[in-house]
Amino acid sequence: SQQGEEDPQALSIQEGENATMNCSYKTSINNLQWYRQNSGRGLVHLILIRSNEREKHSGRLRVTLDTSKKSSSLLITASRAADTASYFCATGPIGSSNTGKLIFGQGTTLQVKP
Amino acid sequence: DGGITQSPKYLFRKEGQNVTLSCEQNLNHDAMYWYRQDPGQGLRLIYYSQIVNDFQKGDIAEGYSVSREKKESFPLTVTSAQKNPTAFYLCASIQSQGRGNTIYFGEGSWLTVV
Repeated sequence: SQQGEEDPQALSIQEGENATMNCSYKTSINNLQWYRQNSGRGLVHLILIRSNEREKHSGRLRVTLDTSKKSSSLLITASRAADTASYFCATGPIGSSNTGKLIFGQGTTLQVKP
Repeated sequence: DGGITQSPKYLFRKEGQNVTLSCEQNLNHDAMYWYRQDPGQGLRLIYYSQIVNDFQKGDIAEGYSVSREKKESFPLTVTSAQKNPTAFYLCASIQSQGRGNTIYFGEGSWLTVV
């Protein structure tokens, strides 16, 4: 079952602007991960944040996690046309650590216009 | 280079036919997964395997079957019992279960019923 809800479903911005995507989930988690998917391709892992972390950075990516609100956000700064893709959050529920199972959200489709 | 190889990329199935999607990994990963993705949607787990000769049903296993005879291989058979098989199928693997392990994905296979 899907427990992740991404918001917005679609986002269109100009190159150079920042893009923010949000993810909410329902159950307690071990970690939350963000993935990127170019159209018709597999998913590529972007960043993982553990349940005891509040913020994490990787290049132009910034992820926050608020376990009290059961939500996370992904910020892409200084966006580029090449950032155009779908972005998914995936949660590793507590108890899933021995299976590696992740629960994926519906995704946010980001379009960055040149 | 290490990675996950899915084949074929595109597959057409006639109604009533079984088809098998191949997934091979040379990452020496223990666990492997099959996900289904419908257009504009997130991923749903079909089956997963944590170890050779063992596999577990995911959220939408009906109409599908798998085998795990070798560590490197996790083929998915879409049977005639799957009434709506047209979708994008993604295979994934993880080195070992545990907190914070990320999943690596193949490039996906498109299955269309004709």
